[in-house]
Amino acid sequence: DSGVTQTPKHLITATGQRVTLRCSPRSGDLSVYWYQQSLDQGLQFLIHYYNGEERAKGNILERFSAQQFPDLHSELNLSSLELGDSALYFCASSVSGENTGELFFGEGSRLTVL
Amino acid sequence: AQSVTQLDSQVPVFEEAPVELRCNYSSSVSVYLFWYVQYPNQGLQLLLKYLSGSTLVKSINGFEAEFNKSQTSFHLRKPSVHISDTAEYFCAVSAAYGQNFVFGPGTRLSVLP
Repeated sequence: DSGVTQTPKHLITATGQRVTLRCSPRSGDLSVYWYQQSLDQGLQFLIHYYNGEERAKGNILERFSAQQFPDLHSELNLSSLELGDSALYFCASSVSGENTGELFFGEGSRLTVL
Repeated sequence: AQSVTQLDSQVPVFEEAPVELRCNYSSSVSVYLFWYVQYPNQGLQLLLKYLSGSTLVKSINGFEAEFNKSQTSFHLRKPSVHISDTAEYFCAVSAAYGQNFVFGPGTRLSVLP
């Protein structure tokens, strides 16, 4: 158990819909990272938050948005869903905002868009 | 920007045989290097990392990786694999002054009895 909690574990929805994925980092971790894992794209970095502030943005679509709240949990919002958005979405946390430390991954939220 | 290449998408190997999983990276700045392992239906876990110092780093379960700056490589090795090592292995890189980690496409290691 990494200490990172992601909900929901599985989600099935239709094209055009909107979903919210939630992540609770390990106790004491200030950084939250979001990754998308698909068979054809591998593990793609989406966005990084540190203590409520956006630190870095990767290959995140404009239809996607994220935020980190004062209690440090984070949400990833995916809207106008397309079939190609079907993937496993991972959240990871780390103690600091630096890139030398270990990332602790949740078990992921599997999104299926029909 | 950094990128990571893992040339082997799948590596089958018999139990107790040695294995090498290859990782090459590209970067215009100094980097930190990591190997993560993902067991079925689980998130990724850190296996080992290179930040500085000795170029040979080891994990607690017998894996080791060597940072080779001239060849921009960070190959993962184990002299004798077990069935329980069956998993997907991801090489990752982060820039010394960057803010995010870039992962390779992964190598699926299958250990056969």
